[in-house]
Amino acid sequence: AQSVTQPDIHITVSEGASLELRCNYSYGATPYLFWYVQSPGQGLQLLLKYFSGDTLVQGIKGFEAEFKRSQSSFNLRKPSVHWSDAAEYFCAVGEKTSYDKVIFGPGTSLSVIP
Amino acid sequence: DVKVTQSSRYLVKRTGEKVFLECVQDMDHENMFWYRQDPGLGLRLIYFSYDVKMKEKGDIPEGYSVSREKKERFSLILESASTNQTSMYLCASSSGTGGRGYTFGSGTRLTVV
Repeated sequence: AQSVTQPDIHITVSEGASLELRCNYSYGATPYLFWYVQSPGQGLQLLLKYFSGDTLVQGIKGFEAEFKRSQSSFNLRKPSVHWSDAAEYFCAVGEKTSYDKVIFGPGTSLSVIP
Repeated sequence: DVKVTQSSRYLVKRTGEKVFLECVQDMDHENMFWYRQDPGLGLRLIYFSYDVKMKEKGDIPEGYSVSREKKERFSLILESASTNQTSMYLCASSSGTGGRGYTFGSGTRLTVV
């Protein structure tokens, strides 16, 4: 069965510092992979996705993620964090079947110190 | 701007009431989903639909039902609301058979008293 783990429940970084959020997945084949961000009291917004091809994908708001098949990982990175990046971040894995079902990780809460 | 709209941001209902949560999308998406989000548990799939009048159970369907009479509208129904259904409910939609990502609504925070 598919699963997604995000080892860090909560991370605090200083504004301007670099950021890496970890994500590991379990899936029998190459999945679709996603990162979403959720601001307080809001729905989720798609940051980026891996579909196929280049393993380094660029997203919105200056985020990028790298798919590493050997490590079953899809870590999210940003070189310089802004205070507005404080939010909840969800990694997700999707099935290559009909219905477009997606499994979400438990989320990582990011705090940014000014 | 494409949108998924959930009819209420906040709802307070009494135990035993029948509750309807409405979700409308304007993107002509085939797939629609209902999740509930609880602290420490992440997002859990309640039901989804891949076509009009079609529905599939997700991971936690007990106590819920859904209706999709039109492509753009997907309703979640709590047949008899209970306090353990107090939660944030998120609706999402997507097109095709995968890989494009979901568009989410802003959520409905339901409190059952």
